[in-house]
Parts: sequence; structure tokens; C-alpha cells
Amino acid sequence: DVKVTQSSRYLVKRTGEKVFLECVQDMDHENMFWYRQDPGLGLRLIYFSYDVKMKEKGDIPEGYSVSREKKERFSLILESASTNQTSMYLCASRWPQYFGPGTRLTVL
Amino acid sequence: RKEVEQDPGPFNVPEGATVAFNCTYSNSASQSFFWYRQDCRKEPKLLMSVYSSGNEDGRFTAQLNRASQYISLLIRDSKLSDSATYLCVVNRGNYGGATNKLIFGTGTLLAVQP
Repeated sequence: DVKVTQSSRYLVKRTGEKVFLECVQDMDHENMFWYRQDPGLGLRLIYFSYDVKMKEKGDIPEGYSVSREKKERFSLILESASTNQTSMYLCASRWPQYFGPGTRLTVL
Repeated sequence: RKEVEQDPGPFNVPEGATVAFNCTYSNSASQSFFWYRQDCRKEPKLLMSVYSSGNEDGRFTAQLNRASQYISLLIRDSKLSDSATYLCVVNRGNYGGATNKLIFGTGTLLAVQP
């Protein structure tokens, strides 16, 4: 069974902090994705990766960066968190996408 | 115009009812279509793929109309456990490469009443 795990279910950070969201999948998938989900806007793609050290921007990459040093791990980085980055963050792997449980991030 | 559009609902139906959700997409080059289900405060989960010939999985039937760029999901004999948000999902372009992105609709909320 596919397993995608995310480092935290709930996270509270302050404006200006650097935030790391970690995602790990255990099925040797090449494709990994980061989304955010907001009411009325649905899921929006932030970044994705098709292989180690490879990354491509999604629809809303501004304010975010990613890292994929190992195949199983895809990290989302908020360089300087802002209140408008308060959201549910969902990591996914595989095609079609299989999601992790999500991290609800609140930026104060 | 949104790339994928769905009626947000909510659809309130009694147990045992048949309910249909519709979805339209704007990119005629899209090749892959899916329905996902999302329970409250949970992650989306793949419900079923949608094929040109239509496909069925138990009480669920999905259909695709490429000419009208329209996808549907039919749920027969609704159960209380079917209550969830149903997301229509379409890939942005031809399969493979940088266009291999999924676009998610904002979802249709279904509430099955006892």
C-alpha cells in the first residue's frame, strides 16, 4: 500500500520565520508534488519534481522553494513565512496522485 | 474561465437516492480524467479514473464526453458514508513531461441524509 507521510499535521509559525515542510514516500515514486488547499480555491500546485534534484514550478511558486536530495523525500520551504501562506499543505506522489495527510500551517 | 468547473453544491440527498455530479473542463488537449473524494479535514483520495467508454465501479459510474468537454459521476443507492466532497480532476495537457500536471476542481459537497 502506498504511504506518503508529512512531518507535521499542525504547525504554527510567526511571520518572517523560515518553515520546512517534509514529505516522504516509501514506494520509490519518481513524481512528487506540493499543493496548497484553500476554501473556494481548491488545490493549487506549488512545485513538483520528477526526479532527484529536479524541480519545476507549479502555478503558485512565489514565496516557496523546494528541495529533493533523495528520491523518497520532497521538502517545501517557506523562506520567510507570511500570513497569506496560512493554508493546508498537501504532498502527493505517483500518477495519478496519492496524497499525504496534509499539514495545516498557521502563520501568525 | 476556470480550467475545471464544478457545481459546489451542497447536494443534500436521502439515503438510497441516485445523485449525479457534473464537471466541465476547458483544455481540449486534456487526456486524463479522474474523480477524487475528500472527507472533511482529510486528504483527497482517488475514487476512480474516467475513460472515454465510461466505467463503473460498484455503485459509481463515471462518464466522459470529449466533444462537450464534460465529465460526470453517478452514485446509485447513496449511503451515509458517501458524504464527502467530490473533486473533478483533469490533466492540463498531453500526458508526459512538463505538461503532466493535474488540475483540481474546487469540489462538489455531497451530504447524504438518513
